[in-house]
Amino acid sequence: NAGVTQTPKFRVLKTGQSMTLLCAQDMNHEYMYWYRQDPGMGLRLIHYSVGEGTTAKGEVPDGYNVSRLKKQNFLLGLESAAPSQTSVYFCAIHSLREAEETQYFGPGTRLLVL
Amino acid sequence: DQQVKQNSPSLSVQEGRISILNCDYTNSMFDYFLWYKKYPAEGPTFLISISSIKDKNEDGRFTVFLNKSAKHLSLHIVPSQPGDSAVYFCAASNQGGSEKLVFGKGTKLTVNP
Repeated sequence: NAGVTQTPKFRVLKTGQSMTLLCAQDMNHEYMYWYRQDPGMGLRLIHYSVGEGTTAKGEVPDGYNVSRLKKQNFLLGLESAAPSQTSVYFCAIHSLREAEETQYFGPGTRLLVL
Repeated sequence: DQQVKQNSPSLSVQEGRISILNCDYTNSMFDYFLWYKKYPAEGPTFLISISSIKDKNEDGRFTVFLNKSAKHLSLHIVPSQPGDSAVYFCAASNQGGSEKLVFGKGTKLTVNP
């Protein structure tokens, strides 16, 4: 969707393990976002970036770190995974397209922490 | 404190009839509103948006109505089709655009053939 890809699609971790989720865009968008979606909770913003080299905290940043070393990529890291981080993670970019301003989402990464 | 509320977790409608999904917000500074549709195992997809300077925006079968005094917006789908069955999220922003969004919890719409 809008050239946003996420890697991996699915992952199982044990408590305490670390991993990095990759979001990549094939256009030149400045703003990128990481959300998590949990049943009955909607989409909650974890971290976001307004440009290369910048990051900022969202609504639920604890337990996560992010980096935006290249404009095309936004990485979400879990240093020590916990079962509470079992969720579906979505990356998004902000776009103004055909006079419609919105966020476009990637296909998601499903993470299970045992 | 939930700033964007979708009070109906689910809605069931017959094919061909109207679907009305509702959304309430508490932050009077919100000035841009969006609706997203989400199918299982896919990312949310943008449906329609409305700026606070308007009270209605229409795109094909989808119409969004905004009542600023009531802090309420609704999405109307006419006629409803089975392919419309999905979870619908309402989102709002106070920056005039969609750079920073607050989402509701979603309403699951089921359109029965």
